[in-house]
Amino acid sequence: GAGVSQSPSNKVTEKGKDVELRCDPISGHTALYWYRQSLGQGLEFLIYFQGNSAPDKSGLPSDRFSAERTGGSVSTLTIQRTQQEDSAVYLCASSLGGSGNNEQFFGPGTRLTVL
Amino acid sequence: AQSVTQPDIHITVSEGASLELRCNYSYGATPYLFWYVQSPGQGLQLLLKYFSGDTLVQGIKGFEAEFKRSQSSFNLRKPSVHWSDAAEYFCAVVPISGSARQLTFGSGTQLTVLP
Repeated sequence: GAGVSQSPSNKVTEKGKDVELRCDPISGHTALYWYRQSLGQGLEFLIYFQGNSAPDKSGLPSDRFSAERTGGSVSTLTIQRTQQEDSAVYLCASSLGGSGNNEQFFGPGTRLTVL
Repeated sequence: AQSVTQPDIHITVSEGASLELRCNYSYGATPYLFWYVQSPGQGLQLLLKYFSGDTLVQGIKGFEAEFKRSQSSFNLRKPSVHWSDAAEYFCAVVPISGSARQLTFGSGTQLTVLP
């Protein structure tokens, strides 16, 4: 079956604009994660969805960041009023369940550049 | 504070030589332990994981890792490196207790393989 897919693969935007990043997890995976990879901060957790439970938003860096997951499948990460420090690769991962020992499968990422 | 440390930012080895990448963690209880690899332009791929039991775990691509509780370490090894192993390697953990399910990553080790 298909792996985790993300779109777009690259996104260039101007400071102050809003962007939406999409993640399609592996079919049947109930857990979905967003991470961010940047030169200065390494790999950071952003948000976690598990089934119908309230998401764990503890990693979101500011209230400009939000995410939703519709129908327990596709997820969209939205960044409002983008800043240059938001430039990074945004990675999505999914796992079969929400246990800590479930393998997380990663997508190829969306490279966001804020000019 | 809970943390994952990869002391080596960059390692260079010759093709055919052995390899050891270091990872140390600081958690109250031994967390779930993972090693991921990221090749240029690729997503993160799981090499191996340790949850319990035998302290020497085998992974894909000929990699293995040894868990040492006394040293809070989970070092990655390969007996003979191939040019295709050049990539960035990340150690990651998920706490065994608590509600967190996301991976916490080390800062990564960049591996260069000389012909």
